[in-house]
Amino acid sequence: AQSVTQLGSHVSVSEGALVLLRCNYSSSVPPYLFWYVQYPNQGLQLLLKYTSAATLVKGINGFEAEFKKSETSFHLTKPSAHMSDAAEYFCAVSERNNRLAFGKGNQVVVIP
Amino acid sequence: NAGVTQTPKFQVLKTGQSMTLQCAQDMNHNSMYWYRQDPGMGLRLIYYSASEGTTDKGEVPNGYNVSRLNKREFSLRLESAAPSQTSVYFCASSGRGGGQPQHFGDGTRLSIL
Repeated sequence: AQSVTQLGSHVSVSEGALVLLRCNYSSSVPPYLFWYVQYPNQGLQLLLKYTSAATLVKGINGFEAEFKKSETSFHLTKPSAHMSDAAEYFCAVSERNNRLAFGKGNQVVVIP
Repeated sequence: NAGVTQTPKFQVLKTGQSMTLQCAQDMNHNSMYWYRQDPGMGLRLIYYSASEGTTDKGEVPNGYNVSRLNKREFSLRLESAAPSQTSVYFCASSGRGGGQPQHFGDGTRLSIL
């Protein structure tokens, strides 16, 4: 079965600083990878997805992620954090039937 | 465009009571999913339906049943609620084909006393 590792349940970042959230996956086949964001009391919203078209993927709200097959990684970055980026972020890898295996998530706190 | 709609949004039950969580999508998606979210655990798949007329167990199916009523609707039933089932439940749907993202509802917050 596929799996995802996200280290560090809580991530603090200063407003204006780089946001970096790490995601490593295990997959027996070329993967489809996703990042989702969850704001308080809401469902998950798709930030971006990797489907093998390009290794650098741009998403909404200024986020991007780079797929590195040799490192089995799909880290999420944003050059300059904004207060509105405070949320929980989940990395996911696809399985058969479009099922997703989720990481445990990163709660991002933005410090003014 | 409503997307994925879940009802109710909040519910409190007593141990042993039964309840059905409803989910409907208006995106003509083939696949639908039920997850539970617990602090520090991420999302765990309870059941899914790859297409109308089929359902399969996910990672944590014990204590739950599902019904794919038609292409739009996928319900989750707790026959005899237990405190361990206190959680936030999310329904999602996706289209056919590899790499299709899942679209989520806003969740049902369920407390079992």
